[in-house]
Amino acid sequence: SQKIEQNSEALNIQEGKTATLTCNYTNYSPAYLQWYRQDPGRGPVFLLLIRENEKEKRKERLKVTFDTTLKQSLFHITASQPADSATYLCALAMDTGRRALTFGSGTRLQVQP
Amino acid sequence: GAVVSQHPSWVICKSGTSVKIECRSLDFQATTMFWYRQFPKQSLMLMATSNEGSKATYEQGVEKDKFLINHASLTLSTLTVTSAHPEDSSFYICSATSGTGANVLTFGAGSRLTVL
Repeated sequence: SQKIEQNSEALNIQEGKTATLTCNYTNYSPAYLQWYRQDPGRGPVFLLLIRENEKEKRKERLKVTFDTTLKQSLFHITASQPADSATYLCALAMDTGRRALTFGSGTRLQVQP
Repeated sequence: GAVVSQHPSWVICKSGTSVKIECRSLDFQATTMFWYRQFPKQSLMLMATSNEGSKATYEQGVEKDKFLINHASLTLSTLTVTSAHPEDSSFYICSATSGTGANVLTFGAGSRLTVL
């Protein structure tokens, strides 16, 4: 099954800076990769999906890249705000042909005002 | 957008009792629902996959007789924790997908279970 590593447990940055979060996976290359945001005591909320044939995807201040050679995705938040403080999870299909997603352990982002 | 309602948001029960958690898709038909469990400062662990009208598929290590899942309609799935024990205390989160296209999940707000 798929293994995911989000190698920063926590990231503290100053308001206005760009936050960059990393997601690495180890097994088969998925058809797509997703990023979710989770606030304390709440369920995750979907942010972005990027497909294997897409190098980059943007949505407002968010940007996701997907490098299937490196087996890595980067998640960027530009012009970060304190309201962006949350845990960000990357997710992939657990196995080829399965619809269930497996999640990384998440990176807790703290944006300081 | 798609909305999933989960109830109750928190529950406290005595050891040995059973607790039922409901998960409803409010504005779409959920062909598949997933139940996850999350311990503090850990990621989501998939417990089971539930397809409407059929038996749930449980992940390895998850006791199907302890965590009963029912998906009787396209908008409702329930998780019953039977004979709960303190080690079952956790954050349970359901998610749903309409089954079309890429598998984007809509999550409920989660249910915090505390077993005394």
